[in-house]
Amino acid sequence: GAVVSQHPSWVICKSGTSVKIECRSLDFQATTMFWYRQFPKQSLMLMATSNEGSKATYEQGVEKDKFLINHASLTLSTLTVTSAHPEDSSFYICSARDHWGSGTDTQYFGPGTRLTVL
Amino acid sequence: GQNIDQPTEMTATEGAIVQINCTYQTSGFNGLFWYQQHAGEAPTFLSYNVLDGLEEKGRFSSFLSRSKGYSYLLLKELQMKDSASYLCARSGAGSYQLTFGKGTKLSVIP
Repeated sequence: GAVVSQHPSWVICKSGTSVKIECRSLDFQATTMFWYRQFPKQSLMLMATSNEGSKATYEQGVEKDKFLINHASLTLSTLTVTSAHPEDSSFYICSARDHWGSGTDTQYFGPGTRLTVL
Repeated sequence: GQNIDQPTEMTATEGAIVQINCTYQTSGFNGLFWYQQHAGEAPTFLSYNVLDGLEEKGRFSSFLSRSKGYSYLLLKELQMKDSASYLCARSGAGSYQLTFGKGTKLSVIP
């Protein structure tokens, strides 16, 4: 089955620093990847859609200069949280759309990255 | 909007059957997904419905009524490991983006 990995799985950083999270599709090509954020006991909120070779599309209310997204290849997208603050502490999850999948347009999720900003 | 409504919490007994309902706005609708999410983990894909009717996959089945904007996930022969949050999500026409409901936390008790 389609596997998506994320790295790191958890990170603790000081306020004001930047954190980069990687999302990789391991056994399929993903022209489109999605970044979500999930606060405790809340559902997944889409932050942005990452398209290979082009600029990401951000959802309303998500600062594109704070959450930098790069999708340089068909198997890798990165999310950089710049100048992180405690309110950015959350569970960040990526998903990848299987470009050559069975036609269900299924999104496969990475295991998530738990970010804690002190 | 694409408001997706599902119950916040449900409790069921091991071995029983439970039905988790989901309603959504029908405008611009393409397909309906169900995901399972254990605490602290990412969601895992359970089912996808684009046509009306019931899709069965082992102990889990999912139903869709496009005209009513209604879906349900049916879990049979409940096991303790089924305790998790179940997320209903819809995709829009011409878009691969998913909009998630807040999830239903299912607790399976002995």
